[in-house]
Amino acid sequence: QVQLQESGPGLVKPSETLSLTCTVSGDSISSHYWSWIRQAPGKGLEWTGHILYTGSTDYNPSLKGRVSIALNTSKNQFSLKLSSVTAADTAVYYCARARAHSSGYEYWGQGTLVTVSS
Amino acid sequence: DIQMTQSPSTLSASVGDSVTITCRASQSISSWLAWYQQKPGKAPNLLLYGASVLQDGVPSRFSGGGSGTEFTLTINSLQPDDSATYYCQHYNSYPFTFGLGTKLEI
Repeated sequence: QVQLQESGPGLVKPSETLSLTCTVSGDSISSHYWSWIRQAPGKGLEWTGHILYTGSTDYNPSLKGRVSIALNTSKNQFSLKLSSVTAADTAVYYCARARAHSSGYEYWGQGTLVTVSS
Repeated sequence: DIQMTQSPSTLSASVGDSVTITCRASQSISSWLAWYQQKPGKAPNLLLYGASVLQDGVPSRFSGGGSGTEFTLTINSLQPDDSATYYCQHYNSYPFTFGLGTKLEI
């Protein structure tokens, strides 16, 4: 079965870069859409962006060019980098998979809390 | 960005009841809509996509409808396990956006 697992630092200092990795098992990242979705404490869900298996990306403009998502096909992983973080970027970050553009996110990681604080 | 407005924000019902949650889009999204269920401390779980297509493994008590700007999620024969927050999400254009959620208490 398909499983996704987020990993990365749980604490990041303001103005630094948040880096997370999603390790995928039971599926190849050489197909489908791979996304990062975050949820601030007690708040709703925010789509940060996704990457297609081709390497093509789309990002949420609200993140003002601070975000990048990349594939690592040799490790069957994809990553998120978010630069110049502030306290507003504190959230649980989920990685997720959509089988197709029109299928919704059917597989999710368990989520990882990233706190931005000095 | 397309804004997704859910109503009500909270809902209380009893076991065996039926409830309907509404999601309105600020512009037409055709049928490019998904519904998710999220329980505290857990990742969201996909219930429906394409506004009305039931995801594999989801009980048929869940159903969705609508197109354009107005959509509904209906849950029949409520069970205690249905207590959760429900979110709609469009994927008509970038950025994809979610509604603020409807908290259902059984």
